[in-house]
Amino acid sequence: ETGVTQSPTHLIKTRGQQVTLRCSSQSGHNTVSWYQQALGQGPQFIFQYYREEENGRGNFPPRFSGLQFPNYSSELNVNALELDDSALYLCASSLGVSGNTIYFGEGSWLTVV
Amino acid sequence: GQNIDQPTEMTATEGAIVQINCTYQTSGFNGLFWYQQHAGEAPTFLSYNVLDGLEEKGRFSSFLSRSKGYSYLLLKELQMKDSASYLCAGEGYQKVTFGIGTKLQVIP
Repeated sequence: ETGVTQSPTHLIKTRGQQVTLRCSSQSGHNTVSWYQQALGQGPQFIFQYYREEENGRGNFPPRFSGLQFPNYSSELNVNALELDDSALYLCASSLGVSGNTIYFGEGSWLTVV
Repeated sequence: GQNIDQPTEMTATEGAIVQINCTYQTSGFNGLFWYQQHAGEAPTFLSYNVLDGLEEKGRFSSFLSRSKGYSYLLLKELQMKDSASYLCAGEGYQKVTFGIGTKLQVIP
């Protein structure tokens, strides 16, 4: 177990809806990153939060947004869902923004219909 | 830019040794990760190389050459449970870029 927990584990949404995914980082970790993993692909970096500020972003549109709270837990919000957003969404925590082991949660499986 | 290349599939025999190669082009390169991912599960950490050379950790070893933009993961004494995807990932500028993963099948 990595100590990184995500919720919900599985969910189904309709195209055009909005979704919020949640993540609790490992105790003491101040950095959270979110990844999208489509079937048969490697995880794709969405963004990273460090001490409640966005600290880096991948090639995802603005309808993908996030938050980090003072206890370092985090949310990923996706608006105007599209069918291609169906994927496993992984949260990962680490101590510091680089040069440290990244620990993944079990992920949230999102299906958009 | 960020680019990670690794083979998509490999097959090896139980008890044998297998080497999974990875080449990378990562801006502001810091280091290179290897993760193992079983089907339907989250990736689990195997290694993180910053300096050139080989790092050994039990049956798994990881090698890095920064000048060549090259890494490999070496798995010895293969077991059936090693059947999984192995993800190579380069870290640079507060961003980790993953490859597509190498799906390793261990056969009896």
